This record gives sequence, structure tokens and C-alpha cells, in this order.
Amino acid sequence: KQEVTQIPAALSVPEGENLVLNCSFTDSAIYNLQWFRQDPGKGLTSLLLIQSSQREQTSGRLNASLDKSSGRSTLYIAASQPGDSATYLCAVLGSNYQLIWGAGTKLIIKP
Amino acid sequence: GAVVSQHPSWVICKSGTSVKIECRSLDFQATTMFWYRQFPKQSLMLMATSNEGSKATYEQGVEKDKFLINHASLTLSTLTVTSAHPEDSSFYICSARDTINQPQHFGDGTRLSIL
Repeated sequence: KQEVTQIPAALSVPEGENLVLNCSFTDSAIYNLQWFRQDPGKGLTSLLLIQSSQREQTSGRLNASLDKSSGRSTLYIAASQPGDSATYLCAVLGSNYQLIWGAGTKLIIKP
Repeated sequence: GAVVSQHPSWVICKSGTSVKIECRSLDFQATTMFWYRQFPKQSLMLMATSNEGSKATYEQGVEKDKFLINHASLTLSTLTVTSAHPEDSSFYICSARDTINQPQHFGDGTRLSIL
């Protein structure tokens, strides 16, 4: 059974710092991995999608990597800003075509 | 970018009322749509998956007669909470994707409060 773990559960850093969020999964048989952010009381915003054949994807200050063989993905946020404060979720698309979710990392960027 | 519009964003109604939530994909074909429920400070819980024109597949423990899902077109799915009771109060989020190689996009959610 696929399990997705996100570390840390919470992170607080000063504005301007670069940071890394981690996601690990137990079954490497995935179609893709997706990173989302969720603001309080809101739905989810898709940030990056990495196909199983890809190693990384970039969008602006965000860079996501995927090492399928080791079951790991990282989300790198450069030059963090207070507006980046949110809960970040990773999810893998498994063999049942459904997303399996991590519990999220709650990120706070202090001005 | 791809947008999923969910309406209404907030509903307050009396116990016994049926509530319909709409989910529309605005600029892509929603071949598959998903309905989730989220409790405070918890992860998303998948309720059901539907493919356009087919009956929804419900997750274990989700009452299909309680949560009616219709996915009659490639851009619209509806979730009807029938005879809602206070325990149905929650945050409901819809999601949609075209193919498995495309991102899954989410609506902004509907906060349902049953008095």
C-alpha cells in the first residue's frame, strides 16, 4: 500500500531564505507526482507536476525534483516571501489512478 | 492556466435540506472528476470518482444515496448532499483532470454548515 510522508510537518523561516520541503513515498510504481499549496479555508492550487520519467520541473521560484527509485521528491523554494506561507502538499498518482496524499508541510515565512 | 470553478463557496442551511454543489472546469475537459471532504487540520478524504457519462465510484464508507454525484458533461459535475444533517457539515472540494498525464486541478471548496 502506497504511503506518502512529508517532512517537516511545519517550518518557519525568515523572509528571503531558500528552503526545501521533502516528500517520500513507499511504492515507486507511480505515474506522476504533484505538488500543491493550500491556503487556510481554500482549495488547492497545483504548483508542479512531475511525470515518472522526469527528474525535475521548475516554475518561477519553485523547483521540484523526483527520484523515483529512492521514492523521494523535494520542493525547493528560492528567496521565500511572506506570500509563500501556506500548507504544501505532495501527492503521487498510483496504479489506481488516484492521488495518494502526504499530510502536508505548514510553512510560515516571517517578514 | 487551468481553472476549476466551484459554487457555492459557503452554504448554511437547516437540517433535512438537500444541498447541491457545482463544479465546472473552465478551460479544459474534465474527463475525470473527484469529490473530496476535508475536516479541520486534516488531509483530503476522497469521497468518489466519476468519469464523464458514467456512474460515480464511491470510496468505502461513503453513502452513495446520501451523496449523489452527477457528471453528465465534460465540464460539469454536481454533488448533492441529500437530507443533510449536522454531521455532514464539512469542507467539500472538487477536483478535475483530463488525462492521467495532466495535473489534477482543484476548486476553491464549499464550506457546508448544517444547523
